[in-house]
Amino acid sequence: DGGITQSPKYLFRKEGQNVTLSCEQNLNHDAMYWYRQDPGQGLRLIYYSQIVNDFQKGDIAEGYSVSREKKESFPLTVTSAQKNPTAFYLCASRGAPGNQPQHFGDGTRLSIL
Amino acid sequence: AQSVAQPEDQVNVAEGNPLTVKCTYSVSGNPYLFWYVQYPNRGLQFLLKYITGDNLVKGSYGFEAEFNKSQTSFHLKKPSALVSDSALYFCAVSLNAGNNRKLIWGLGTSLAVNP
Repeated sequence: DGGITQSPKYLFRKEGQNVTLSCEQNLNHDAMYWYRQDPGQGLRLIYYSQIVNDFQKGDIAEGYSVSREKKESFPLTVTSAQKNPTAFYLCASRGAPGNQPQHFGDGTRLSIL
Repeated sequence: AQSVAQPEDQVNVAEGNPLTVKCTYSVSGNPYLFWYVQYPNRGLQFLLKYITGDNLVKGSYGFEAEFNKSQTSFHLKKPSALVSDSALYFCAVSLNAGNNRKLIWGLGTSLAVNP
C-alpha cells in the first residue's frame, strides 16, 4: 500500500545531542512537509520541500534542519540548538495539482531524557 | 493576517445526535478548504475538501461540510454521531496560488461523543 512511514515512533534525546527523524513516502509526491504538534497549539510548520534538492523554512525552523536528496525521503534533524524539542512530529506529503490534500504519517514522539 | 479559527476547543454530543464542528477563516482570494481528523497518537486523516462548485461537500465516514462564502465559514457536520467519531478535528485553508502552497491550520476541536 502507498503511504508515508515515519520512524522511530518514539525517540529520546539527551542534552546536547542531535537526533534525526525519518520520513519516507512511496506516493510519488513532489511536496513534503514537517510539522510540530504541541497540545493546544495545533500544527506548526517547520520546513517544507516542493521538489528534490530544494526546501524552505516554515514558521518555526530555528533549531531544525532538513535535507531532500531523494524524492521519497525528507529527514528532519532536531539539533541541540532546539531547546524545547519535546513534541509530536508529523511528516506529510502532497501530490499535484495544488488542490490535493496532504497525506500524513503516524508521527514520531520526541522526549528529553 | 491570514488565519483560521475553530472557536470551540471541545464539542460534546450524544451518540445518534447531529454534530457540528465550526471553522471560520480570514484569507484573501479564493481559498481551498480542508477538514482532517486525528485519533490519539496517530497522524491526521483527510476527511473532505472544498475547491469550487457545490457549497455542500460530502466526505469520508458520513461527514459533510458546508462552505459559506459570505460568512467565511466551513463547518463540519454529521447527521448522526458515533462514539467512534470522538477525536481531534482540524480545519485548514490553502490559498489558490499555484502548486507552491502551504496550509493555514486551525488549533483543532476535540469532539467527544457520549454513549
